[in-house]
Amino acid sequence: DAGITQSPRHKVTETGTPVTLRCHQTENHRYMYWYRQDPGHGLRLIHYSYGVKDTDKGEVSDGYSVSRSKTEDFLLTLESATSSQTSVYFCAISKTSSGGRGDEQFFGPGTRLTVL
Amino acid sequence: EDKVVQSPLSLVVHEGDTVTLNCSYEVTNFRSLLWYKQEKKAPTFLFMLTSSGIEKKSGRLSSILDKKELFSILNITATQTGDSAIYLCAVNSGGSNYKLTFGKGTLLTVNP
Repeated sequence: DAGITQSPRHKVTETGTPVTLRCHQTENHRYMYWYRQDPGHGLRLIHYSYGVKDTDKGEVSDGYSVSRSKTEDFLLTLESATSSQTSVYFCAISKTSSGGRGDEQFFGPGTRLTVL
Repeated sequence: EDKVVQSPLSLVVHEGDTVTLNCSYEVTNFRSLLWYKQEKKAPTFLFMLTSSGIEKKSGRLSSILDKKELFSILNITATQTGDSAIYLCAVNSGGSNYKLTFGKGTLLTVNP
C-alpha cells in the first residue's frame, strides 16, 4: 500500500459537465502523475506535478487541467467532459522523498469514469 | 518521441508452461526499465532494471535487460492461473521528473 487514495472510485456523468478527480497521498512525496488507461493503449500520461503549484503536460493533456495547492493532493479536472474521456484514471507517485531513486511509480486504485 | 513496444499483445498458455514476454524500446536518454503486473486493479511493481546482463529474479519470475539491443524480457516459469494478468513494461528516459513511458502491455491468460 503506497498510501494513495483516489476519489471518486466510480463516476458516471454527461457530456459537457465538469468533472474533478482527486488523488491524495499520505507520504509527502514531491512527484505525482495522472494517467488514463484504455484498451489497446496501455497507460498514457496526462499531466504530472513536481511540487506544489508545479505541473506540466504529458502526452495526452488536451481537455484536462490539473492543480496542486498542497503536497498531498493532486486534482485532475475535465472542464467539459466528452465521451472520448471515458476511461480508467490512475494516479501515481514517485517515492523520491524516502531516499529512493524515484524510478518506480506506485499507483492508486483508479477511478472508472463514464461519460454518456 | 520515446517509444516502448511489447510483444505479444496477448498470449494464452496452460498451467505449467513457461512464457517469455518481450519489451523493446527507443528512448532519448535511458535511465531504467520497469515491469509491472496488472490484475483487475492498479498496476503493481515487479522489477526495475538498469544494467545489461544482470538478471532480476523473484520466485518464478525473472527479467533481464540488453541495453545494446534495446530490449528486455520477462520470463515466467511453471505458470499458474494466478499469473493471468496484463504485464506492462515502462521506460524511464531520465530527466528530473521521473516520467515513465509505457508499452501497451501483454495480456497473459493461464488456463488450468
